[in-house]
This record gives sequence, C-alpha cells and structure tokens, in this order.
Amino acid sequence: QKEVEQNSGPLSVPEGAIASLNCTYSDRGSQSFFWYRQYSGKSPELIMFIYSNGDKEDGRFTAQLNKASQYVSLLIRDSQPSDSATYLCAVNSGGYNKLIFGAGTRLAVHP
Amino acid sequence: DAGVIQSPRHEVTEMGQEVTLRCKPISGHNSLFWYRQTMMRGLELLIYFNNNVPIDDSGMPEDRFSAKMPNASFSTLKIQPSEPRDSAVYFCASSLGAGELFFGEGSRLTVL
Repeated sequence: QKEVEQNSGPLSVPEGAIASLNCTYSDRGSQSFFWYRQYSGKSPELIMFIYSNGDKEDGRFTAQLNKASQYVSLLIRDSQPSDSATYLCAVNSGGYNKLIFGAGTRLAVHP
Repeated sequence: DAGVIQSPRHEVTEMGQEVTLRCKPISGHNSLFWYRQTMMRGLELLIYFNNNVPIDDSGMPEDRFSAKMPNASFSTLKIQPSEPRDSAVYFCASSLGAGELFFGEGSRLTVL
C-alpha cells in the first residue's frame, strides 16, 4: 500500500463548477497535510495546509481533514481554466518536515 | 528573495557518465530536500538534510547516488555511473523548520 494515495484522473469539470480532489494516507501518526499545485513543466507550489480535523477555507479553496478516516480533500469552488494543473497531496511523515507526496490528480477545467 | 536555485536546468548525458546536480537553498532555511519526479513513480523523496546533516537517505535508490551538503548554502546530488532509468526531473526544496517547502525549478536529466 502506498503511503499517500490519490486518483490520478484526469478529473474534468466545467468552468464555474466545484472540483473535488481526494487523498488517503496510511500513517496514522501524520500531523500535517498539504496540497500543492503543479502546472505542466513547472515545480510544485503550496496551495494550502491543514493540521486539525475539519475544514479550512482560503478564498476559493477548502481543505478538509478527517484523521479518523485518514482522508484529506481539496475543494475548488468556481473552477477556472487557470486551475487546470496536477494537484499533489503531501503528508508529513516523521520529523523535520519530511513530506511524502501522492502521485497527483490531474484536473482539467473546460470553458 | 531569489528562491531555491538549481543547476543545470537540463542535462543530457550518456550512460556511464557522472552527473552532478546543484542546489542553493533559500537563505536562512535549515532543511533541504532532494526529490525525483517521473511519470511512473511521481515525486519521490531521495534524501533530506537538517542543518547540513543528512537525516534520512532511505529514498536514495542505490549506491550510485550520493548527496552532500558542505554548508548551509549549497548541496549536490551526484549519480555515478548514470543509467537511462535515472532519467527524471530532480527537484531541490528547502524549508525553515516545519514550514512550507519551497521548490526549485528542477533539473531535467536525460541519460541516453
């Protein structure tokens, strides 16, 4: 079993819709969770992080964490074509900010 | 701030040659990470340093790979000898404590 699992997609949504991206992780001791966005040919950039169970909102983005189910999700409201990218879920495993990444979900927002 | 700086951006080499990738972390950051990204395996952590000391190199694929961090502003990842299966994008990232990981632009390696 992979440490961090994501559906590879592609996830295709129309412009203006809500995109829902999901991630599960295996290490119950993980304490911090991150969502990175990676455009084709570019490096990953942080969108959001979440530490506590529940929801965390930042503009059009909402991260949701359920530690009991070992599940993290990212919702993107009012999706725009510029949101088309690969979204990487990352989980802190061990100390020193060691992040383990999922394989990523490719999101395509079509006009 | 200049961000994480990696060189070279692109490297094409022949099997058996030595490859050295370089990274300059963001000034003041105390943790440095080397990742490798391929279509098949995604983004894999190879090794990371804290305060210039290697903490976990369990992701280094084999003895052909080595990494050093002689000081707080410089790190290298060396592959000797290189093989076609080493072809990938190698990212360096740095962070301050448990803060955000900042990635460099990556070094795209092609081994023929």
